[in-house]
This record gives sequence, structure tokens and C-alpha cells, in this order.
Amino acid sequence: GQNIDQPTEMTATEGAIVQINCTYQTSGFNGLFWYQQHAGEAPTFLSYNVLDGLEEKGRFSSFLSRSKGYSYLLLKELQMKDSASYLCAVRTAYNQGGKLIFGQGTELSVKP
Amino acid sequence: KAGVTQTPRYLIKTRGQQVTLSCSPISGHRSVSWYQQTPGQGLQFLFEYFSETQRNKGNFPGRFSGRQFSNSRSEMNVSTLELGDSALYLCASSLLVGGQGGVEQYFGPGTRLTVT
Repeated sequence: GQNIDQPTEMTATEGAIVQINCTYQTSGFNGLFWYQQHAGEAPTFLSYNVLDGLEEKGRFSSFLSRSKGYSYLLLKELQMKDSASYLCAVRTAYNQGGKLIFGQGTELSVKP
Repeated sequence: KAGVTQTPRYLIKTRGQQVTLSCSPISGHRSVSWYQQTPGQGLQFLFEYFSETQRNKGNFPGRFSGRQFSNSRSEMNVSTLELGDSALYLCASSLLVGGQGGVEQYFGPGTRLTVT
């Protein structure tokens, strides 16, 4: 079956660092995506991992361990505008449809 | 470059009616995927079209259907609407069909459907 788990909500302080975890069990694996979605808006792409390791992009970094079915999104120097829902999504293998399966999302609240 | 556009943005229908939603992808993008987003279920994959062919399908009943035109624009249809169909319907476009590398999807603003 397909299952993606991430915490429902998290709270952090402006200027701090927060790590949002995601674990997955899917039919095949062809990459993991992180999206940010502000309330009432469409999801926007943050990062993509297909090989084990850390991908860094400015204040955001994403890590993947395929053997553990685990990823995390690291947000540094938090800003108030980072308050949003963060969606972890796994793309299944191409020969199994290549579907993008989303987790429920983690609602991050950044406090002053 | 214009982003993904969806029409209408808001829609109110009654049970039993049918509805058609439209999505225009980013110019040059040939893959269009549709998702349903609800507070309880999150983002759920409906189907993906590439070059006018349905390539993938999620676990939704046959009341949900779609199609893609030669200009890559896509429509989604829901027949015999139920209260549970109330949701935000998101369309996303990408250059390549699903599964081909780290091709990101660009989402449209969505259509908010309310079924009463």
C-alpha cells in the first residue's frame, strides 16, 4: 500500500530552525518532493530528492534516506512568512504509474 | 511565462448535478494532473493526462472523468455530484509525463467546489 506520514502541526519561533519529518511506504520510488502551501493558495515546489543525502537551497534543505523510507525538510532562520503547510510527496516508480502521492501536510506556525 | 490557470475559481452546485472544470497548463507543458484537496483527506491524485491520453488514474469512482485537448488544455468532469465532492480541485502541469526524473509540477490556484 501507499502511506506517507508527517506530523500534523508544528510551532517554532522566528529566527529558529525547524525540521519537518516525513516517512513513507510506497509501491516503488522515483523521487520525493516537498511543497509549501499557504492558506488559500496553490502548493509551490520547494525541493526534490531522488538520491540519499542532503539537498540545500538557500534557507531550505531536504534530506533523503531511501533505505529508511525517510526524509526531512529543514528550514533555517525562520521568518513569519514561512507559516504554511508543508507537503511531502513521493512519486511512485514510472512502471507503476509514476503517481505523486502526498502526505497530509504539516501545518507550521512561526511565532514572533 | 503565464502560470497554470483554472476556471472557474469558485463554484456552487447542488447534489445530483454535474460540473466541468477547466485547466490551462503552462505553455509547452504537455502533462496535466488533477488533484482533490480536502481537510480530511489532504491532496489526492485523480488522474494525469499526457498528449491527450490518460496515463495514470487514482482511486476515485467513475463519476470523475477527464480529458485533454490537442493544445494540452484539460477538463475534469464530475457527474451526479455528492456532498462529499466539496473540495478544492487543483490542476498541475509539468513538461514530462509522471515518473520521468525530478520534473516538478506547477500548480494552478484551484477551483473551490461546494456541493449543497
